[in-house]
Amino acid sequence: EDQVTQSPEALRLQEGESSSLNCSYTVSGLRGLFWYRQDPGKGPEFLFTLYSAGEEKEKERLKATLTKKESFLHITAPKPEDSATYLCAVQVYSGAGSYQLTFGKGTKLSVIP
Amino acid sequence: SQTIHQWPATLVQPVGSPLSLECTVEGTSNPNLYWYRQAAGRGLQLLFYSVGIGQISSEVPQNLSASRPQDRQFILSSKKLLLSDSGFYLCAWSRGSSGNTIYFGEGSWLTVV
Repeated sequence: EDQVTQSPEALRLQEGESSSLNCSYTVSGLRGLFWYRQDPGKGPEFLFTLYSAGEEKEKERLKATLTKKESFLHITAPKPEDSATYLCAVQVYSGAGSYQLTFGKGTKLSVIP
Repeated sequence: SQTIHQWPATLVQPVGSPLSLECTVEGTSNPNLYWYRQAAGRGLQLLFYSVGIGQISSEVPQNLSASRPQDRQFILSSKKLLLSDSGFYLCAWSRGSSGNTIYFGEGSWLTVV
């Protein structure tokens, strides 16, 4: 069974204190790994897709990396507005031309001014 | 650009009452459409997906049903709600080709009392 585990469950950072969120996965035939940001009471907002080990993508203070078994979301010099829950999801081919997306439970990030 | 609208944003319904959540996508044609549920402390769970009008696939057995009467309209329904149906429901879409990024709506909070 495909599994996605995110750690830590919650993370409190001081403004400017860099850190990383982890997403580890056990799947057969990874097609892509997705990162989303979710604010309270809102739908997830797409951030990145990574397709192969060694790939990196950046957006403002966020950088996502991918290995064969995990992905990291690095947050550099975070600001209070980066506070949100960050979701990781893996996409695998499920047969008959369709794909399955399995989500982790998320990491709730709080950045304190 | 593409947009996704979902309504109502919140609703409180008594046990045994019917449910109808609606979702429309603008700015694209032939999208794949999805309904997810997000329960506290759990990851996003796929309930239904559709690759075309009248084509619905169900991922988990439940008290809910979905319909796609038009290309860009997706409806989540129930004839009789249960307490366990409470949760945050998210409509989402992706481009017609399988394996593409999934984009989410703002979500609907359902409380069954």
